[in-house]
Amino acid sequence: NAGVTQTPKFQVLKTGQSMTLQCAQDMNHNSMYWYRQDPGMGLRLIYYSASEGTTDKGEVPNGYNVSRLNKREFSLRLESAAPSQTSVYFCASSARTGISYEQYFGPGTRLTVT
Amino acid sequence: SQQGEEDPQALSIQEGENATMNCSYKTSINNLQWYRQNSGRGLVHLILIRSNEREKHSGRLRVTLDTSKKSSSLLITASRAADTASYFCATARNTGTASKLTFGTGTRLQVTL
Repeated sequence: NAGVTQTPKFQVLKTGQSMTLQCAQDMNHNSMYWYRQDPGMGLRLIYYSASEGTTDKGEVPNGYNVSRLNKREFSLRLESAAPSQTSVYFCASSARTGISYEQYFGPGTRLTVT
Repeated sequence: SQQGEEDPQALSIQEGENATMNCSYKTSINNLQWYRQNSGRGLVHLILIRSNEREKHSGRLRVTLDTSKKSSSLLITASRAADTASYFCATARNTGTASKLTFGTGTRLQVTL
C-alpha cells in the first residue's frame, strides 16, 4: 500500500496564478485533511472532509477551496495564489477506530509563490 | 491559534541519554497525540493517550498526561541518532467520524553520537 500520496512534490507559482494540489489515500479511510506548515510552526488545518460528500473549514481556509472527489481523493485549489500562501502543504487521512483517530500523512508539497 | 505549546523548542543530547519534551494546551480534549517529523518529510504518528489515561508506553516512548494542568510529556529513553527529528504534540477533538487535530509548534531534537 502506498498510504497517502501527494502531487506535485514541488511547485513555483507567480502571484495570481492558480493550481490544484492532489491527494489520494488507499487505506479506505473516511476522513481527509489539508494542512499547511510554515517555518517554525506546527501544522494548521485548512479544510477537512469528515466523509465522502462533505467538506468543512478549518483554522485557515481563506484563499483555498477543496473538493472531495471520491472516498480516495481530496484536492486543494488555490484560485489566485499570493506570497502569503508560500508553505509546505500536507494531506492526511484517518479512519474511525473507536475514539482513536490517528492521522496518516503524505510527504508534502512545497509551494513557493513569487 | 496554536493549541499546544512545546517546551523546549530545541534539545540536543548524546546518544544513550533520555530526551523529555513537554506540551501544554488550553482547552478540553478527547485525546492527545505525539507525532514525529524527519526533515523534509511528512508526520508520523507515535502514540495517542486518551483524556482518561495518565500514562502510556510504547517501546522506548513514555507519554504522560495531566488534564488538571493541561499538560503532557514525551520521554524517549536511550536515544539514538535515528531519533533526530522534530516532535509535535496535537490535541484532538472528535466530531463524529472526523478528528480535528491542533498542533503545537514542535521540539527539534538532535541526537549526536
